[in-house]
Amino acid sequence: KAGVTQTPRYLIKTRGQQVTLSCSPISGHRSVSWYQQTPGQGLQFLFEYFSETQRNKGNFPGRFSGRQFSNSRSEMNVSTLELGDSALYLCASSLGPSNSPLHFGNGTRLTVT
Amino acid sequence: KNEVEQSPQNLTAQEGEFITINCSYSVGISALHWLQQHPGGGIVSLFMLSSGKKKHGRLIATINIQEKHSSLHITASHPRDSAVYICAVIGGETSGSRLTFGEGTQLTVNP
Repeated sequence: KAGVTQTPRYLIKTRGQQVTLSCSPISGHRSVSWYQQTPGQGLQFLFEYFSETQRNKGNFPGRFSGRQFSNSRSEMNVSTLELGDSALYLCASSLGPSNSPLHFGNGTRLTVT
Repeated sequence: KNEVEQSPQNLTAQEGEFITINCSYSVGISALHWLQQHPGGGIVSLFMLSSGKKKHGRLIATINIQEKHSSLHITASHPRDSAVYICAVIGGETSGSRLTFGEGTQLTVNP
C-alpha cells in the first residue's frame, strides 16, 4: 500500500506570492490533517479535513486555507506569503475517528525569500 | 506553560543503555501519540495510547491518565534510534486529528 505522498518536496517562493501544497493520503483514508513545523514554534496543527469538510482548524490567519477532494486528496494554500511562513509542512492521513493511527508524509519544505 | 511538556529536551546515551523520555500534559485527552522524526523531516507514528501500556520490539510506551503522564522507553538502545521523539495529544472525541505537540526530545545514541 502506498504511503502518504506530499508534493512538491521543496519549494522556494518570494514574499507576497501564494503557494499550493498537495497531499495524497493512503488509499481508504478519509481524514487528512496538516501541520506546520518551524524551529521557533515547533509543530502546530493547521487544519483537518474529513470527507471533504473541514473538521478542525488551528490558530492560523486566514491566509492559510485548504480543501479536500472527493478522492480524499487535499491541498493547502498560503496566500500573500511572509518570511515567517518558511517551514516544513506535513500532512497526515487516517481512517477518520480520533483514535485512528496517523500516517505522515515526508513533508514539503517551503522557503520564502 | 505549554499544554504538553517533554523531558529531557536532549538526551545522549551509549549503545545498549535503557532510555526513558517523559511527557506530561495539562488537558483532558482522548489519546496520546509518540512520534519519531529523523533528520530530513519525515515523521513516523510509534504508538497511539489511551490507557495502559503498549510494546513494539524494543520500544515500550505507558500512560497514566490520572496523573496525566506518559513515558516512552527504549531498551538496548542503538545508534539507529537517534532521532527526535515527540509526544502529541488529542483533546477529545470531537478533536479528530487536532494534535497538540510537545517540543520534542533529541536523542543521540553513540556506538
